[in-house]
Amino acid sequence: QQQVKQSPQSLIVQKGGISIINCAYENTAFDYFPWYQQFPGKGPALLIAIRPDVSEKKEGRFTISFNKSAKQFSLHIMDSQPGDSATYFCAAYASGSARQLTFGSGTQLTVLP
Amino acid sequence: NAGVTQTPKFRVLKTGQSMTLLCAQDMNHEYMYWYRQDPGMGLRLIHYSVGEGTTAKGEVPDGYNVSRLKKQNFLLGLESAAPSQTSVYFCASSYSNSDRSNQPQHFGDGTRLSIL
Repeated sequence: QQQVKQSPQSLIVQKGGISIINCAYENTAFDYFPWYQQFPGKGPALLIAIRPDVSEKKEGRFTISFNKSAKQFSLHIMDSQPGDSATYFCAAYASGSARQLTFGSGTQLTVLP
Repeated sequence: NAGVTQTPKFRVLKTGQSMTLLCAQDMNHEYMYWYRQDPGMGLRLIHYSVGEGTTAKGEVPDGYNVSRLKKQNFLLGLESAAPSQTSVYFCASSYSNSDRSNQPQHFGDGTRLSIL
């Protein structure tokens, strides 16, 4: 069962544009929501994370928006650059779960120069 | 700073063969995890460990066994490999500290395994 649903599967954006990736979750016990970035041949690396008591978190060009009532969260990449081309995964975990991450299915982002 | 190191990086097996994937971390992390990554399915947790000598099943444990005899090492075993186990396997580690915002899981660069 997929507890975290991610869309779109792939995304193509022009340089300078805004990339938006959406995730929805089902398990109301989830209380930490990280986003991971993965380049080809590498493992995922933490990009940015949010807790549900905050509606938005921004780090540089990357922003997470969180809607607790809708059980949805999204990643916005402003001024997208070719170097941002990678696969992005949303994830979630619940307190007391030994920090077990449940991942979305991933979004392959391509930023055209 | 090596972080999380996985060996081997690539391997091709025949159906029925066995092998062990090794994960080593040098960050003194308590928790360690094994995931598999398949196209369109994200990463799925196979097994995890919250400390030396302890292991637990994740989402997709069938066909795999694990051991954590030393804190820094976490081994993933395939006793009788099947084509369905063709995947990219990732190991990760993390602190057990409850301050989750500063304690992400650190991933290795994966082992690409093909079962013929």
